[in-house]
Amino acid sequence: GAVVSQHPSRVICKSGTSVKIECRSLDFQATTMFWYRQFPKQSLMLMATSNEGSKATYEQGVEKDKFLINHASLTLSTLTVTSAHPEDSSFYICSARDRVLSNTGELFFGEGSRLTVL
Amino acid sequence: DQQVKQNSPSLSVQEGRISILNCDYTNSMFDYFLWYKKYPAEGPTFLISISSIKDKNEDGRFTVFLNKSAKHLSLHIVPSQPGDSAVYFCASRTSYGKLTFGQGTILTVHP
Repeated sequence: GAVVSQHPSRVICKSGTSVKIECRSLDFQATTMFWYRQFPKQSLMLMATSNEGSKATYEQGVEKDKFLINHASLTLSTLTVTSAHPEDSSFYICSARDRVLSNTGELFFGEGSRLTVL
Repeated sequence: DQQVKQNSPSLSVQEGRISILNCDYTNSMFDYFLWYKKYPAEGPTFLISISSIKDKNEDGRFTVFLNKSAKHLSLHIVPSQPGDSAVYFCASRTSYGKLTFGQGTILTVHP
């Protein structure tokens, strides 16, 4: 199946710094990527939809100035957590949609990135 | 507004028996329903899906049933194996590709 890679898998940073997480589709072109966040023992919450070459669409309650999303190419989207605070500590997961929509409807997920803000 | 709900936070099953995970949804615009398996600190892994125009899809030990009138779907795992122990998320997809996830059900299969 298609592979989506996230980097870094784990990152620890000090409060007030910015952290960038990369999401790459390795063997397909992704016109759309989605960024999710998972809190402990909770569901995956969609944060934003990232479209190649245009501005991301953010879900209600997600601060666009805090979570900067860039989708500069068909294989790369980045999420930057700006001025991180301890409450931003979470598990962030990206997913990608193939340009040719899968017949099974599936999205392909990255391995996730664990952010810990001290 | 929780559009996709998994009302059972956990399920415990004996090895070899059937595991049935349930999911309810409210939005009739969803065109695909999917099940994902997830281990801690990993991304979800796709298991099986079903189109909104079907009522059953089977893949090996996994079968998904869709009851559109009840807005309900279920995942059956037969026979259950200890390696199936994980968190299972159901998800519903719009034609644009956006997934909405349920809260997840922790499945534990005892040897």
